[in-house]
Amino acid sequence: GESVGLHLPTLSVQEGDNSIINCAYSNSASDYFIWYKQESGKGPQFIIDIRSNMDKRQGQRVTVLLNKTVKHLSLQIAATQPGDSAVYFCAETLWANNLFFGTGTRLTVIP
Amino acid sequence: ETGVTQTPRHLVMGMTNKKSLKCEQHLGHNAMYWYKQSAKKPLELMFVYNFKEQTENNSVPSRFSPECPNSSHLFLHLHTLQPEDSALYLCASSQENRGADTQYFGPGTRLTVL
Repeated sequence: GESVGLHLPTLSVQEGDNSIINCAYSNSASDYFIWYKQESGKGPQFIIDIRSNMDKRQGQRVTVLLNKTVKHLSLQIAATQPGDSAVYFCAETLWANNLFFGTGTRLTVIP
Repeated sequence: ETGVTQTPRHLVMGMTNKKSLKCEQHLGHNAMYWYKQSAKKPLELMFVYNFKEQTENNSVPSRFSPECPNSSHLFLHLHTLQPEDSALYLCASSQENRGADTQYFGPGTRLTVL
């Protein structure tokens, strides 16, 4: 079955620095990837997605990079703010199938 | 978080109790999901409903019984649970049951089984 995992369970960054959260996936057939953010006491919230025919996609202060050769996904957050402190999940799927979520990385922003 | 609401937010129950979790979505979606979130584990998909029909039961024990009376409401009926069932139960909805359809999550119900 699919396996979605994260390289690091925790990440601490200084406010204002850039953050990079990594994710590895095992199913080379997956064609759609999503990053979710979950703040304490809340459900996961969609951040950004990317299809397998793209290498990079940018949003507001966030960028997702996809490296299909090594089956690696990353989320970059520019100028990290205290409000970015949360657990970040990557998820993968085949277009019409269910999502498979990773275990999550806890990002802590140090003021 | 008015898109998907869940009640109650917290629930403590004994192993012999019967309780129900409720989820309501105000997004006009046709697919609804139940997930279980335990510490240090990936989100586990439990059930999927698409246009009120159950399309996925991910080998969930029968002590969990879902109900979807319409596309806006989803229930999870609980009976004779075990302490290991303690977790955060998340409801989500999407336009249809396709991985590419963004899922919108509710805040979850924190369940503790004594």
